[in-house]
Parts: sequence; structure tokens; C-alpha cells
Amino acid sequence: KAGVTQTPRYLIKTRGQQVTLSCSPISGHRSVSWYQQTPGQGLQFLFEYFSETQRNKGNFPGRFSGRQFSNSRSEMNVSTLELGDSALYLCASSFDSTSSYEQYFGPGTRLTVT
Amino acid sequence: QQPVQSPQAVILREGEDAVINCSSSKALYSVHWYRQKHGEAPVFLMILLKGGEQKGHDKISASFNEKKQQSSLYLTASQLSYSGTYFCGTRAGGGADGLTFGKGTHLIIQP
Repeated sequence: KAGVTQTPRYLIKTRGQQVTLSCSPISGHRSVSWYQQTPGQGLQFLFEYFSETQRNKGNFPGRFSGRQFSNSRSEMNVSTLELGDSALYLCASSFDSTSSYEQYFGPGTRLTVT
Repeated sequence: QQPVQSPQAVILREGEDAVINCSSSKALYSVHWYRQKHGEAPVFLMILLKGGEQKGHDKISASFNEKKQQSSLYLTASQLSYSGTYFCGTRAGGGADGLTFGKGTHLIIQP
């Protein structure tokens, strides 16, 4: 089975711009979660989607948004980029969004905001 | 609120044992353990559900104390390949909340 894929792998943007990141889950997985990873804050939960519905949202400003498509692929969007948005953005997929299912992470998208 | 992991870092010699702790102020439904090596994605190790069960495979095991909202990861006879950052992730709210991770424990295994 192919793993979780994320595109692009690296991205450089300027303050004020917006960015869209893409995640394709493992085949058969219906839940996708997004995380922001920085050296200072570690892995921070952004949001979780299941069957095109947002199930949970972390404590991030409204500039961060996401969606999930009918084929379970997911995108996240960050508008009006700030320097502090520079981070590794990881998506993880699981069969379901309930507590008993493990998540499998993709390689991440490294976003640099200048 | 994210779980608290301890210690923040530990250095061991190959063959020594390590314990990594994870505690939360919330009533937990599950605890998930991951290991991340530098420049790589986190890799799933194991999941423990409410009920205080203990799990393990190979020389890595974990326990979940539901009453104390604590989990511990045990690495016995550590190998060089065990080096990395270990994260615990917790789900509260009866399992409906998002997965919240601790800040990680850096483990260095020296030959």
C-alpha cells in the first residue's frame, strides 16, 4: 500500500501571500488530520476531517482552513502568511477518526515564509 | 491542553533501559506513541485505549494508568535504532477530541 503523500514537499512564500497544501491519504483511509511542527512548539493539532466533515479544530487563527474531498484527499490553506507560519506541516491519515485507530504520517511540507 | 512529557531528553548507552512518561490533566480516552527521527515523519509505535491495558512488541512496551491519566513508554535493552524523539498523543472527550501531542522526549543511544 502506498503511504500518505503530501505536495509540495518544500515551499517558499512571502509574508501576506496565501498557500495551499495537499495531502493524499492511504487508500481506504477516510480520516485526515493536519499538524504544524516547529522546534519550539512541537506537534500542534490543526484540524481533523472525516468523510468531508471537519470533526475537530485546534487552537489556530481563522487564517488556517482546510477541506476534504469525496475521495478523502485533503487540502489546507493558510491566508495572509506571517513569518511565524514557517514550519513543517504534516498530515496524517487513519481509517476512522475515532480514538482506537492509529494515524500514519506523511513526509510533510516544509513552508518557509520570508 | 497538551500532555506533559518527561524527561525532555535522555542519553543512554546501548543496552540500557529507558522510561518516558506522559501525563495529562484531562480524562483520557486513548494514548498514542510515536517516534520521529531527524528529517523524517513520525512513525506509529502503539496505541493504548481507556481500560489501563499494557501493550508491547519487541522490546518496546507501554502502559496506561487511567486513574492517574498517565502513560509510560518502556524501552528495554535499547538499540542504536531507538534514537529519536518520542511523542505521546492523547485523545480526551470520550475519544472525540483531536489528537494532542506532548512536546517530545529526545532519546540518544550511544554505542
